[in-house]
Amino acid sequence: DGGITQSPKYLFRKEGQNVTLSCEQNLNHDAMYWYRQDPGQGLRLIYYSQIVNDFQKGDIAEGYSVSREKKESFPLTVTSAQKNPTAFYLCASSPGGDGQETQYFGPGTRLLVL
Amino acid sequence: EDQVTQSPEALRLQEGESSSLNCSYTVSGLRGLFWYRQDPGKGPEFLFTLYSAGEEKEKERLKATLTKKESFLHITAPKPEDSATYLCAVPRNGGATNKLIFGTGTLLAVQP
Repeated sequence: DGGITQSPKYLFRKEGQNVTLSCEQNLNHDAMYWYRQDPGQGLRLIYYSQIVNDFQKGDIAEGYSVSREKKESFPLTVTSAQKNPTAFYLCASSPGGDGQETQYFGPGTRLLVL
Repeated sequence: EDQVTQSPEALRLQEGESSSLNCSYTVSGLRGLFWYRQDPGKGPEFLFTLYSAGEEKEKERLKATLTKKESFLHITAPKPEDSATYLCAVPRNGGATNKLIFGTGTLLAVQP
């Protein structure tokens, strides 16, 4: 069954802690994305990657970091520099690096601060 | 500034009561408009992509249409299971087409 998986479903972060959100896809898509969703706001792009070992900042990259060592995987680290990390985080992928194709989303990870 | 605006913010319908959701955009040189459905606590589910004015696409009770300035998502004889938030998005003008701008969504509630 092809798709995008995100784990964990819920994640709790303590003050000063870095946490990593997992995103895996088996759709053989080249491009992958991370979005943040807050109540009353549209999805906002954090980082995206069009090809392995390359990624670009989105609109709200401060306090976040990513890596793209494998085509299937695009983990997102929320660092202690991100002062307001509580949100719903969504990973997406699209078939081609050019990006005109449709983006497909994973089930999301909800991050909460203790 | 590139912008996507969805209206209404919330819509309550009786089962079988048809209506339309609106998505207006200000980007020039549109390179696609995407509609998604999102259930509470879940990721958006892809519905349609429209590329040119006059284009229409249908799926069950949903039909999406596109003009040069806006898109409509028509819902015919809705059922309670159509209740969800409907999102639209367009690629940002200039630069990489994979940088999408999302609207804030329309929350649809269909009552039996």
